[in-house]
Amino acid sequence: QKEVEQNSGPLSVPEGAIASLNCTYSDRGSQSFFWYRQYSGKSPELIMFIYSNGDKEDGRFTAQLNKASQYVSLLIRDSQPSDSATYLCAVNIYSSASKIIFGSGTRLSIRP
Amino acid sequence: GAVVSQHPSWVICKSGTSVKIECRSLDFQATTMFWYRQFPKQSLMLMATSNEGSKATYEQGVEKDKFLINHASLTLSTLTVTSAHPEDSSFYICSARDGGQGVETQYFGPGTRLLVL
Repeated sequence: QKEVEQNSGPLSVPEGAIASLNCTYSDRGSQSFFWYRQYSGKSPELIMFIYSNGDKEDGRFTAQLNKASQYVSLLIRDSQPSDSATYLCAVNIYSSASKIIFGSGTRLSIRP
Repeated sequence: GAVVSQHPSWVICKSGTSVKIECRSLDFQATTMFWYRQFPKQSLMLMATSNEGSKATYEQGVEKDKFLINHASLTLSTLTVTSAHPEDSSFYICSARDGGQGVETQYFGPGTRLLVL
């Protein structure tokens, strides 16, 4: 089992709709969780992090964390074509000497 | 926000030459930096973890003698690809760990594209 799993997609969402990206992780000791966005040909950029159960909102983005289910998600409201990118989920797994483990990413496409 | 720079952004070299890539944390000190490689349409692959003042920790399958890493200061790590060959052509990305926000977070540099002819 991979430490951090994401559906590779592509996930196609109409412009203006809510895009929902999901991620599961295997290490119950994980304490902090991150979402990165990577445009084609560019390096990843941090969108937000979350470490408490529940929701964390930042503009059009909401991260949701459920430690009991080992599940973290990212919601993008009012999706725009500029949101089309690969979204990487990352987990700080303390059993690996505090190394952040990345999922393989979900490709999101916002159709006009 | 935390800013990480990389230099150069592009490099083209002949087979057999060595290439050095620099990674700098511009507005924070990073005791730990990471080096990744990414081939087209593939995931990030962690190559090594670079710790200031000590030897780098390499991931399985990464040749330490080919990919030399030096982390001489809290703001600078370098990756040298020695005797580069065409199969080393890739997108090399560094990241630096910042604990200043209370949660250790990794910030990525813009990456370096290496093309070995």
